[in-house]
Amino acid sequence: DADVTQTPRNRITKTGKRIMLECSQTKGHDRMYWYRQDPGLGLRLIYYSFDVKDINKGEISDGYSVSRQAQAKFSLSLESAIPNQTALYFCATSAGGAYNEQFFGPGTRLTVL
Amino acid sequence: RKEVEQDPGPFNVPEGATVAFNCTYSNSASQSFFWYRQDCRKEPKLLMSVYSSGNEDGRFTAQLNRASQYISLLIRDSKLSDSATYLCVVTLNTGGFKTIFGAGTRLFVKA
Repeated sequence: DADVTQTPRNRITKTGKRIMLECSQTKGHDRMYWYRQDPGLGLRLIYYSFDVKDINKGEISDGYSVSRQAQAKFSLSLESAIPNQTALYFCATSAGGAYNEQFFGPGTRLTVL
Repeated sequence: RKEVEQDPGPFNVPEGATVAFNCTYSNSASQSFFWYRQDCRKEPKLLMSVYSSGNEDGRFTAQLNRASQYISLLIRDSKLSDSATYLCVVTLNTGGFKTIFGAGTRLFVKA
């Protein structure tokens, strides 16, 4: 079984709808992250959490919110989706420390019409 | 100027060739450096961390030049299975944690 899972894997929605993307991990890591990937831009950090009570904005948090329900669960919400939020979204986890490898989920492909 | 810059390629090389990628970063306070590999429509996976002294893992060699603010990845004896996008990643923790991904360099290894 995958260590980092994301649901749904694909989603098509309409402008203005509220969307939640979910991430679960079995690696026992404290740190979790949400990224989006757009062609030619690389991954950009949306939010990150270093433990259950810690939530931090990343580079591009506007229009997004997150919830860390447990050590193993970190969800990303789009309160009112817009077309430029169409992207590939990745959740990742890591242990602490400077050289902390990030382990990524399989991604959620979101299309906002 | 992008914080992490990579040549997007594509690099088209024959099997057995040696290929090198460079990546430059703009923030001298950058702390940790990595190369990730990403296959088409898949998640990124760590290829190797990049240490100040340089490091080697089989056919892959990574080097860091802090003075010139770049890291490099050398792939020797390229295999078809090396075809992928290679992402340069930099982390820093000044005024908040940041992980910055380069846009990636595409490599195609052909028979």
